Amino acid sequence: EVQLVESGGGLVQPGGSLRLSCAASGFTFSDYSMNWVRQAPGKGLEWISYISSTSTTIYYADSVKGRFTVSRDNAKNSLYLQMNSLRDEDTAVFYCARDGYAVAGIFDYWGQGTLVTVSS
Amino acid sequence: EIVLTQSPATLSLSPGERATLSCRASQSVSSYLVWYQQKPGQAPRLLIYDASNRAAGIPARFSGTGSGTDFTLTISSLEPEDFAVYYCQQRTVWPPLTFGGGTKVEIK
Repeated sequence: EVQLVESGGGLVQPGGSLRLSCAASGFTFSDYSMNWVRQAPGKGLEWISYISSTSTTIYYADSVKGRFTVSRDNAKNSLYLQMNSLRDEDTAVFYCARDGYAVAGIFDYWGQGTLVTVSS
Repeated sequence: EIVLTQSPATLSLSPGERATLSCRASQSVSSYLVWYQQKPGQAPRLLIYDASNRAAGIPARFSGTGSGTDFTLTISSLEPEDFAVYYCQQRTVWPPLTFGGGTKVEIK
């Protein structure tokens, strides 16, 4: 069974940092590209980052570029999101999502999400 | 950036009725349009990919049509578990991958 489990969320002050993790199981993690998608409270979905299976290709949304860094460790079946210079508007549930069907942009499995609250 | 506009924002229907949800793109996305369902407190679930292909395990009452800029998600006969928020997403021109604002299907 495919499972994605995020962790690392919590309360952080504006300007602070946080590192999210996503532990993958039930599939060959190194075969799949991965993404981070976030959802502000009561709002819609926002894609924020993509990383290819071998980390050779990485993309970010403009809203997080220069502040967030995505990485992965295929040996540990884990995806990460380092978030720096956090702002109030970064408050959201952060989901990791797998690119399925051998193409980018079809998120066939999602984690349950981890809540990040940026507030003083 | 491709903007996706979903309508209506809210759809009030009764179980057994047909639901028709629209997603319009600001420029052509060919057939690379994806639909997700999200229930309160849950992660989104993939329903339809590339406009008309049902994902694994998705019931046949869900169908997708369209190409270019206009797309439709149809639920032929609403079941109680179908009341949720539905999002479309394009994967043609990216980054960024973009989502529509969502349509909430609520019980009338």
